[in-house]
Amino acid sequence: DAKTTQPPSMDCAEGRAANLPCNHSTISGNEYVYWYRQIHSQGPQYIIHGLKNNETNEMASLIITEDRKSSTLILPHATLRDTAVYYCIVQTGANNLFFGTGTRLTVIP
Amino acid sequence: NAGVTQTPKFQVLKTGQSMTLQCAQDMNHNSMYWYRQDPGMGLRLIYYSASEGTTDKGEVPNGYNVSRLNKREFSLRLESAAPSQTSVYFCASRPYRAGANVLTFGAGSRLTVL
Repeated sequence: DAKTTQPPSMDCAEGRAANLPCNHSTISGNEYVYWYRQIHSQGPQYIIHGLKNNETNEMASLIITEDRKSSTLILPHATLRDTAVYYCIVQTGANNLFFGTGTRLTVIP
Repeated sequence: NAGVTQTPKFQVLKTGQSMTLQCAQDMNHNSMYWYRQDPGMGLRLIYYSASEGTTDKGEVPNGYNVSRLNKREFSLRLESAAPSQTSVYFCASRPYRAGANVLTFGAGSRLTVL
């Protein structure tokens, strides 16, 4: 099963881009990469997902390397409300997303 | 459109007591899930229901039972609560969509077992 590795914590200045890395070197060819975030023990919130190509939506951009062994979530203009734990997840079966411990992002004023 | 609603939000139990956590979704989603989250940890899947009428074990099913009452509702029961089951419980749902696995989560139910 593919698992992920993320730095435990990161800081980012308000208004700057936050780049959150994730390694998933054992990902299989048909497994998606998902990003969720969890703000202060609320329920996790879906951000974005991708398979091979880079993706962008109103919240963030997802950059996946060509070999698919790593990815980066980009929050283009971080705000204080983006302070949260960010989970990089790969699917480990049709019905399970493996949540690791994530990256705690702190946006600093 | 309330999304995923969990009740109760908070509960304190004594060891050996039983209780049921309720979850309901109004998005016509096919699949529903129960996760638990311990302090400083990620979420771990307890049980899931891929569709109405089916349930399957996840990563940590011991000590729990589930019921998919109908398409909207998926309950989690603790028959004899133990302190190790002190946790925050999250219910989630997703529509049927081949490939993508986007979950919508509830706000969580915080359970303390004394």
